[in-house]
Amino acid sequence: KQEVTQIPAALSVPEGENLVLNCSFTDSAIYNLQWFRQDPGKGLTSLLLIQSSQREQTSGRLNASLDKSSGRSTLYIAASQPGDSATYLCDFMEYGNKLVFGAGTILRVKS
Amino acid sequence: SQTIHQWPATLVQPVGSPLSLECTVEGTSNPNLYWYRQAAGRGLQLLFYSVGIGQISSEVPQNLSASRPQDRQFILSSKKLLLSDSGFYLCAWTDRDGTPLHFGNGTRLTVT
Repeated sequence: KQEVTQIPAALSVPEGENLVLNCSFTDSAIYNLQWFRQDPGKGLTSLLLIQSSQREQTSGRLNASLDKSSGRSTLYIAASQPGDSATYLCDFMEYGNKLVFGAGTILRVKS
Repeated sequence: SQTIHQWPATLVQPVGSPLSLECTVEGTSNPNLYWYRQAAGRGLQLLFYSVGIGQISSEVPQNLSASRPQDRQFILSSKKLLLSDSGFYLCAWTDRDGTPLHFGNGTRLTVT
């Protein structure tokens, strides 16, 4: 059974810092992975999608990498801003179309 | 473009009452559909997913059920709500070729 772990559970940093959020999974037979952000009381917004054949994707200040051999994905946020404060979740799509989410990392960027 | 509609946005129901949450997707065909629940301070829990009409996979045994009567319609139901059913319910869809997962805006359910 696929298990997804996100570390750290919570993170508080001053504005301007570069951040790394981690997501690990137990079964390398994944189809793709996706990073989301969720603002309090809101739905999820997709940030980056990495197919299993890819190693990373970039969008603006965000970069996500995938290492299937080690069972890890990282989300890198450059020059963090207070507007980045949110919960960040990763999810994996298994073959068979089942999606498994991590519990999330709560990020707070202080101005 | 594709859109996903989920309603209602908020719902307050007494214990023992029935539940019906509806989710529809526009602009695509034969999507994978998902129901998730997020309890307060918790992560996302997959409840049901469907890869086609009438095909429902249940992840968590409980008093909830799901149905997919039409290709782009996914319904979450309960005959009798429990207090523990309170939470934030999210519907999501994705295409078969691994395109991004898209979420609806969610339904906040409070069972009193």
